[in-house]
Amino acid sequence: DAMVIQNPRYQVTQFGKPVTLSCSQTLNHNVMYWYQQKSSQAPKLLFHYYDKDFNNEADTPDNFQSRRPNTSFCFLDIRSPGLGDAAMYLCATSRDYGDYEQYFGPGTRLTVT
Amino acid sequence: DAKTTQPNSMESNEEEPVHLPCNHSTISGTDYIHWYRQLPSQGPEYVIHGLTSNVNNRMASLAIAEDRKSSTLILHRATLRDAAVYYCIPYQGAQKLVFGQGTRLTINP
Repeated sequence: DAMVIQNPRYQVTQFGKPVTLSCSQTLNHNVMYWYQQKSSQAPKLLFHYYDKDFNNEADTPDNFQSRRPNTSFCFLDIRSPGLGDAAMYLCATSRDYGDYEQYFGPGTRLTVT
Repeated sequence: DAKTTQPNSMESNEEEPVHLPCNHSTISGTDYIHWYRQLPSQGPEYVIHGLTSNVNNRMASLAIAEDRKSSTLILHRATLRDAAVYYCIPYQGAQKLVFGQGTRLTINP
């Protein structure tokens, strides 16, 4: 039973063409996270939501934005993808902040041509 | 953020125990030690966490040094499915996990 679902699993976009990645969860968790993982690197947090409260990491480029219209869904928008944005994008959820396990989706692999 | 040091890679044989070490000498007194793993082409998954006492669950055991400056994740009988990158993460209980480079574990049949 998939708990954190990411669509699509693979996305190809052109340089500069906006792209949206989606994440949904069936866990009814308060917190949703977006991570970026480049090849052979560890996941890096981009931003996170507690309910609708948005928290941006200081070094997340302005090119990346996010929306969370309701508890279940969260979107990652890349306004003008560059070649350097090619990566795996991981969505995760947790029940709350604090000592709670994070549940990750399978990721969306983004290719920029 | 507390800094961690893990071996870049380790190798073991199937059905043998595996001990994955992590040094976290700058950990604060209230940081839990979390372990996640990432199988090839998948998102990370939670393995185990602890504060001071050793912990066991169905996946693994976590042995925490008395001074909390290091910990060891123990897989009691490794299977091929355990081949993954293992991340040790001191978790500040605030808002985020900060992943280090982790240990790439290879299991030989």
